[in-house]
Amino acid sequence: SAVISQKPSRDICQRGTSLTIQCQVDSQVTMMFWYRQQPGQSLTLIATANQGSEATYESGFVIDKFPISRPNLTFSTLTVSNMSPEDSSIYLCSVGKGDGETQYFGPGTRLLVL
Amino acid sequence: GENVEQHPSTLSVQEGDSAVIKCTYSDSASNYFPWYKQELGKRPQLIIDIRSNVGEKKDQRIAVTLNKTAKHFSLHITETQPEDSAVYFCAALDTGRRALTFGSGTRLQVQP
Repeated sequence: SAVISQKPSRDICQRGTSLTIQCQVDSQVTMMFWYRQQPGQSLTLIATANQGSEATYESGFVIDKFPISRPNLTFSTLTVSNMSPEDSSIYLCSVGKGDGETQYFGPGTRLLVL
Repeated sequence: GENVEQHPSTLSVQEGDSAVIKCTYSDSASNYFPWYKQELGKRPQLIIDIRSNVGEKKDQRIAVTLNKTAKHFSLHITETQPEDSAVYFCAALDTGRRALTFGSGTRLQVQP
């Protein structure tokens, strides 16, 4: 598996502001992903964080709202921009190990937007 | 893209009974099917996975079966214990995006 950490673990933010979430892995990984999990719901993929190139976004998610950085093979950030209460959710990073298919999740960032 | 359906949404069993959760997927090219367990307030934990070249995989009280022709796979938990209570998610790998598509989840409650 992998040791994955996320910062912050939780935050309460005012609408209109932005929050950057960090994801750090203890070893180099090829694949890193960002998911959103709304209360009581399943996991929805936001984007694949590509090292050295722009992230690949899923339908319904755009770079202006969720800019992502991946400066190296162990670190990525997700920014939630111009937040509204609808952005209140848990944001999780995951990493692909081995063949890249087996995914392990970080502990998540619980975000509340007032 | 891939679409994964999961049933039931909730499942209540008595301690010691078996529990079965079923998923169907749409993309016949999918070849990797993991199952995650998520306890309240915790991250999803990978508990077992299966690849398309096998029909069944077992790990102690947990087993997963795969029927590629019918495009469905199931999680079987035997001799359930209260600590098995959690939300379980199935997923299928979208080979095009190399990303997982998750089912809607099953809340399993094991009654002592």
